[in-house]
Amino acid sequence: QKEVEQDPGPLSVPEGAIVSLNCTYSNSAFQYFMWYRQYSRKGPELLMYTYSSGNKEDGRFTAQVDKSSKYISLFIRDSQPSDSATYLCATQGGSEKLVFGKGTKLTVNP
Amino acid sequence: DTEVTQTPKHLVMGMTNKKSLKCEQHMGHRAMYWYKQKAKKPPELMFVYSYEKLSINESVPSRFSPECPNSSLLNLHLHALQPEDSALYLCASSSRDRALGFHTDTQYFGPGTRLTVL
Repeated sequence: QKEVEQDPGPLSVPEGAIVSLNCTYSNSAFQYFMWYRQYSRKGPELLMYTYSSGNKEDGRFTAQVDKSSKYISLFIRDSQPSDSATYLCATQGGSEKLVFGKGTKLTVNP
Repeated sequence: DTEVTQTPKHLVMGMTNKKSLKCEQHMGHRAMYWYKQKAKKPPELMFVYSYEKLSINESVPSRFSPECPNSSLLNLHLHALQPEDSALYLCASSSRDRALGFHTDTQYFGPGTRLTVL
């Protein structure tokens, strides 16, 4: 079993939709959770960083962590065509290595 | 400012060439990373420098040689590469505050160098 599982999609939604992106992880040592957005042929851009269970909100983006079920989510409200990208979840705990999910490719259609 | 810069943006090289990729950050970060990313895959860690010392080498072939001349710069020297080494090479940095430990180690990525080996 991979340490971090993420459905690669692709996911296609109409503009204005609420998008839900999810990852599960297996290692209880993971304590820190990140979401990166990567546009085609660009480097990953840090979107959200969370440490504890619960929600963290930043504008249209909400990151959610449930450590009891080892489940992390990213919600995008009022999705825009400019949100079309690949979204990578990543976790870290006890070492300097990030463990990435495979990434979910999102397309928001105008 | 959370900017990591990388040069060149694109590089095409033959299997006998020697070239270098460069990465720079001015955020005062003390950890710098090289990743390799193939199409439709997540980044794969290659090397980590912490306080200018190599701390992780993920069993990368010796045709890739990292160098950290100072706390702001990171180079990746390339020699005798193979076509399968063609990929997006990403540099990242993180603060690595010794007082606070790994939980401050949010990694910020550069735009990458797209390498093609012919």
